[in-house]
Amino acid sequence: DTEVTQTPKHLVMGMTNKKSLKCEQHMGHRAMYWYKQKAKKPPELMFVYSYEKLSINESVPSRFSPECPNSSLLNLHLHALQPEDSALYLCASSQDRSGSDTQYFGPGTRLTVL
Amino acid sequence: KQEVTQIPAALSVPEGENLVLNCSFTDSAIYNLQWFRQDPGKGLTSLLLIQSSQREQTSGRLNASLDKSSGRSTLYIAASQPGDSATYLCAVGLGGQNFVFGPGTRLSVLP
Repeated sequence: DTEVTQTPKHLVMGMTNKKSLKCEQHMGHRAMYWYKQKAKKPPELMFVYSYEKLSINESVPSRFSPECPNSSLLNLHLHALQPEDSALYLCASSQDRSGSDTQYFGPGTRLTVL
Repeated sequence: KQEVTQIPAALSVPEGENLVLNCSFTDSAIYNLQWFRQDPGKGLTSLLLIQSSQREQTSGRLNASLDKSSGRSTLYIAASQPGDSATYLCAVGLGGQNFVFGPGTRLSVLP
């Protein structure tokens, strides 16, 4: 099973809402990632969890909050988002902490902030 | 700071043609380089991963090469098919789960 699943597929939220994106993998990978992708742009790395340790892209605003309940699950909590946060949010996982292995991506969550 | 570029930005070819997509990076101190395919509004599918010590990787009709010293990688697609139409992205691995993506090449293969 080389699948990364993401829920929901689509999400529309207001700027005062609190919502969460979920990501799951059952490949035994120990590194999981959140990326943000705007239309016709490449993905931008937001967060990495590797062996339960979090690495943050310092440009990501605090209204995005990752959580890793266990090695198979990765959540992204959203609060007080802005319309410019509308994008495709991609989750990925890889086996190796050094980053030398293939990244497997989920199908993404299309987020629209009104 | 590592910068990754891809040429061409878009490409349209008739079915059956062999084609080459290019990826360039500014800093040769990379860990690996990965090629992905992305269909519109979808996630990324890994095509090939080349470690920094390797020169090329092959999978079916795809062949990727890596020249670290010149900061270049190419993705060769043989006998292109309409199903190959997608955006192709290269990503440079800097180690420590730090990856930098190129902007992608949008490929259209016409029947």
